[in-house]
Amino acid sequence: QVQLKESGPGLVAPSQSLSITCTVSGFSLTNYGVYWVRQPPGKGLEWLGVIWAGGSTNYNSALMSRLSISKDNSKSQVFLKMHSLQIDDTAMYYCARALYGSGLDYWGQGTTLTVSS
Amino acid sequence: DIVLSQSPATLSVTPGDSVSLSCRASQSISNNLHWYQQKSHESPRLLIKYASQSISGIPSRFSGSGSGTDFTLSINSVEAEDFGMYFCQQSNSWPHTFGGGTKLEIK
Repeated sequence: QVQLKESGPGLVAPSQSLSITCTVSGFSLTNYGVYWVRQPPGKGLEWLGVIWAGGSTNYNSALMSRLSISKDNSKSQVFLKMHSLQIDDTAMYYCARALYGSGLDYWGQGTTLTVSS
Repeated sequence: DIVLSQSPATLSVTPGDSVSLSCRASQSISNNLHWYQQKSHESPRLLIKYASQSISGIPSRFSGSGSGTDFTLSINSVEAEDFGMYFCQQSNSWPHTFGGGTKLEIK
């Protein structure tokens, strides 16, 4: 069945960088896009970016200078990298599957990131 | 950026009630609007895509309508398992923004 699972560092110090991996199964990254969405504690959802089946990307312009998304189709993994982390980057980070323009039909369980010294 | 405004922020209802949740876009997004449910400590779940298209496995009491700038998620006869947060999201233009959410709570 379709599954996505995020894995990340958990705790990062301010100004440092992070990398979160989304490992998928039950579908091919050559056929679907993968979105990244985050949710600060007690708040709503924020769209971060997406990598499409063909490898092209779109980013939230507010975060674009600090964010990059890449993937390894052969390993069924998608990578979110963010640098110059700030306290307000503390959030649950989700990856989710989508066909272009459609809704996000499968979500990972999320990985918690805390930015703190 | 397209802003999605959801109302009300909180909706207190009794099981068995029928409810409507609103999502209004700051500019026309055609039917490129999707609805999600999120229960406490869980990931969001897709309920409706493209404003009114049903999703396999989602109970038929959930339905969506609207186009352009005004959209509605309707729940016919709310059940106990329906309480939680509801978010809308647009995929008409970048960034693919989410609404601030409506909390459906037990009265």
